[in-house]
Formats: sequence, C-alpha cells, structure tokens
Amino acid sequence: DTEVTQTPKHLVMGMTNKKSLKCEQHMGHRAMYWYKQKAKKPPELMFVYSYEKLSINESVPSRFSPECPNSSLLNLHLHALQPEDSALYLCASSQGEMGTNEKLFFGSGTQLSVL
Amino acid sequence: AQKITQTQPGMFVQEKEAVTLDCTYDTSDPSYGLFWYKQPSSGEMIFLIYQGSYDQQNATEGRYSLNFQKARKSANLVISASQLGDSAMYFCAMRDLAQGGSEKLVFGKGTKLTVNP
Repeated sequence: DTEVTQTPKHLVMGMTNKKSLKCEQHMGHRAMYWYKQKAKKPPELMFVYSYEKLSINESVPSRFSPECPNSSLLNLHLHALQPEDSALYLCASSQGEMGTNEKLFFGSGTQLSVL
Repeated sequence: AQKITQTQPGMFVQEKEAVTLDCTYDTSDPSYGLFWYKQPSSGEMIFLIYQGSYDQQNATEGRYSLNFQKARKSANLVISASQLGDSAMYFCAMRDLAQGGSEKLVFGKGTKLTVNP
C-alpha cells in the first residue's frame, strides 16, 4: 500500500467556519507534511511532523493548526480563514525526515475554497 | 538557499516522440539530490525519478531518464515515447534549509507538458 489518502477532496467554507482536513498513510512512514499550492504555482511547505512531533512550521498563520494524533494520521484544523487561503492543500509522507534522497509520497489533495 | 529554475512554462510534444524538460539549480552543498515530480490535473504529486550528486550514472526509471550535467548544474528530465497520459505539470525539486535547521523539499515553478495525438 503506497497511498496517502486525503479527505475531503473538496471543501467550501465561510470565513467564520471551523473545518478540518484529514490525511492518512499506512506505509509506516515517520514524517508527514502539509503543503499549500495556489493555482499555477509550485507547492509550498507549511508544516512537518517527524515521529509525531512538529519539527517545522514555516511561519504559517495561527488560523492553520496542525495535529498528528498518531504516526498514521495528520490533521489540519482551519479557523477564521481568509479568501486568499483558497488553495490545494497537499499532504505527504516520507519514511524518515527529509534527507538527501528521501522521497515524498503525496495525496491527491483537498481543494479548499474560502468564501 | 537552494534555487531551482525551470524556464519552460509550457511544452508541446507529439505522441510517441521524446521530450526534454529543463531544470537548472544553484547550490553550494557538495552533497545534494534532485527530484522530479509529475502533477496531473487530479492534483496528486507523483514521484518520477531521483538523481544524487554523487551518483556515477544518470538515473533512469522506465521511460524517464535524467540528463544530469553536474558542471552546468542542470538535471533535465527526458521522457521517451510520450503518451497522452504524460500530459501534466512537471516539477523539479531539491532540498533546502527550513526554519530551525531542518530540511525541506522545494520545487521549481514547473513546466506544463501537453502531448498531442
């Protein structure tokens, strides 16, 4: 099983809503990632969890709150988002933390629209 | 900081022909790795091929190969015998320093490949 599963695939939310994105992998990977991708742009890293601990926060606004309940699950809690936060949110995992040849496995993403 | 440059916003190729997607990079590290990912319209980023800076030979994976020219700091992706399903965005990527001294994967701007029947 070489799959990273993300739910939901699409999400529309208002600026006062609270929602969560979910990511799951069963490859035994110990590092998990959230990337944000705006239309026609490359993905940009938001957060990294390594061995269930937050190891990287790329100065992401506090309206995005990551959570890693266990080694297979990664959540991204959303609250009071802005329309400019509309994007494709990609989850990824890797066997260990980023190294010279550590490749990332990505999910299909959640397409988020903030109204 | 590392830098990845993809100068071709879009490329067109006829089915069954070969195509080269360009990627140049800038780094002062002697040890580094370069990755290529494919992103179809479905959104998923699919790992294609990896080249390490100390690898003696150019990487190959099926119809994908890397034209790695270390002195020129280029790692161009060659797709042979293009198929309609190859139509997608292609990103070149490498490691860079993240906050706190950790490392992250950073991507070039990408090249949109269209395969024509």
